[in-house]
Amino acid sequence: DTAVSQTPKYLVTQMGNDKSIKCEQNLGHDTMYWYKQDSKKFLKIMFSYNNKELIINETVPNRFSPKSPDKAHLNLHINSLELGDSAVYFCASSQEASGRDEQYFGPGTRLTVT
Amino acid sequence: LAKTTQPISMDSYEGQEVNITCSHNNIATNDYITWYQQFPSQGPRFIIQGYKTKVTNEVASLFIPADRKSSTLSLPRVSLSDTAVYYCLAQANQAGTALIFGKGTTLSVSS
Repeated sequence: DTAVSQTPKYLVTQMGNDKSIKCEQNLGHDTMYWYKQDSKKFLKIMFSYNNKELIINETVPNRFSPKSPDKAHLNLHINSLELGDSAVYFCASSQEASGRDEQYFGPGTRLTVT
Repeated sequence: LAKTTQPISMDSYEGQEVNITCSHNNIATNDYITWYQQFPSQGPRFIIQGYKTKVTNEVASLFIPADRKSSTLSLPRVSLSDTAVYYCLAQANQAGTALIFGKGTTLSVSS
C-alpha cells in the first residue's frame, strides 16, 4: 500500500491553463503539506493543513489554491500556469503539525509548463 | 532561510563509513535535529532525529555535542544505493512550523 500518493506523476501543459494535482494519504495523519522543488533542487514549503484547516501559507502566488476535502486528501489547484511554475511538487503528511514530526512524502508530480 | 549549513557534496567508496557534519550555530532550545534522505525522482525520506547526545537506528547514527551547535550523521559501511542528497534540518517542536530544507549534501558512493 502506498502511504502518500499523488496524481498525476507527470503533467505537461501550456501557459495559461488551469490544472490540479491530487494527493491522498492512508496513514491516518492529521496534517498534510505541499512542497515545491525547483530546478535547482531547493525544496520549499507552500501550504500545510491540519484537520482540514490551513495552518501554513507561505508566500505563494494566489494562483495556487489548496483544497482539503477531508483529512486524507489535499489537492493543489493552479490557475493561469506560468513557465516558472515548472517544478516537482511533493505532497507530504505527518501525524501532528509540529515541525519535529516525521513527514512522509509522496513520489512527486513533475509539472512542465510550455 | 535554513538554519543549518552542511557540505554541498561528499564522495565515498562502498564499505566505508561516511560522516556528514551539519552546523547549526543559532539552534533554539526547542529545536530538534532531523535528517532526511532524497533519492533522484523521489520525495525525501526521514532518516533519524535527535535532540542531544547520540541516537542510533537501523540506518544511521546521529551525534550531537553538548552545545548542540553542530551534529554529525554517520552512515556505516555505505553502499551504492546510499547515493542521495542528505538534508539536515533544525526544527522546532511546535505546531505550525514548516520544514526548512537547505541545499543538502549530495553523497556519491562509488565501487
